[in-house]
Amino acid sequence: DIQMTQSPSSLSASVGDRVTVTCRASQDISRYLNWYQKKPGEAPKLLIYTASSLHSGVPSRFSGSGSGTEFTLTITSLQSEDFATYYCQQSHSPPQTFGQGTSVEVK
Amino acid sequence: EVQLLESGGDLVQPGGSLRLSCAASGFTFNNFAMSWVRQAPGKGLEWVSIVHSGGRITYYADSVKGRFIISRDNSKNTLYLQMNSLRVDDTAVYYCAKWQLAGAYYGLDVWGQGTAVTVSS
Repeated sequence: DIQMTQSPSSLSASVGDRVTVTCRASQDISRYLNWYQKKPGEAPKLLIYTASSLHSGVPSRFSGSGSGTEFTLTITSLQSEDFATYYCQQSHSPPQTFGQGTSVEVK
Repeated sequence: EVQLLESGGDLVQPGGSLRLSCAASGFTFNNFAMSWVRQAPGKGLEWVSIVHSGGRITYYADSVKGRFIISRDNSKNTLYLQMNSLRVDDTAVYYCAKWQLAGAYYGLDVWGQGTAVTVSS
């Protein structure tokens, strides 16, 4: 099975900050990498698919990059509604595992 | 409006069984693969299972293999998860979700609101 490892596990940031989250796969997954945002009590929301494609309706301050085994989610100017937990997921092959999550908290 | 609505979550004793349902609307259900994802209290998201659009091809996480069965009834636009031999560590909110593109796995773009399963004596 493919293991997904995110870093950091948590970070503290302020509104307006640039935030970067990294996700590493245990083997080459090409660009089959998705990013989700999860808030307490809400369903997850798809942000980015195939590593860098912005899902419909997602603000352009979110972007993704990478291929192979290393991927990055960037929020260029953090907004108050962006404080949440972010998960990567590989969809290269089942089981389509998630990373452990990165909590973005208020500084 | 594209929508997924889960039901069937409950309190069940260890070793018991439960069947979750997910009613889909607003899209052509039989064109898309579907998955179950769960989140245990205080934990991250865990992928549980996937069923391809035709219903014949399925995969499971190691943690549920041999105990859970995913299925779908395309005539009823409904996804199911039969959970047997439940354990305390199966306690979680269970989400059903739709894969974004027919025949491709480009992200889970539609999610239900979740249904809570508690396994406890």
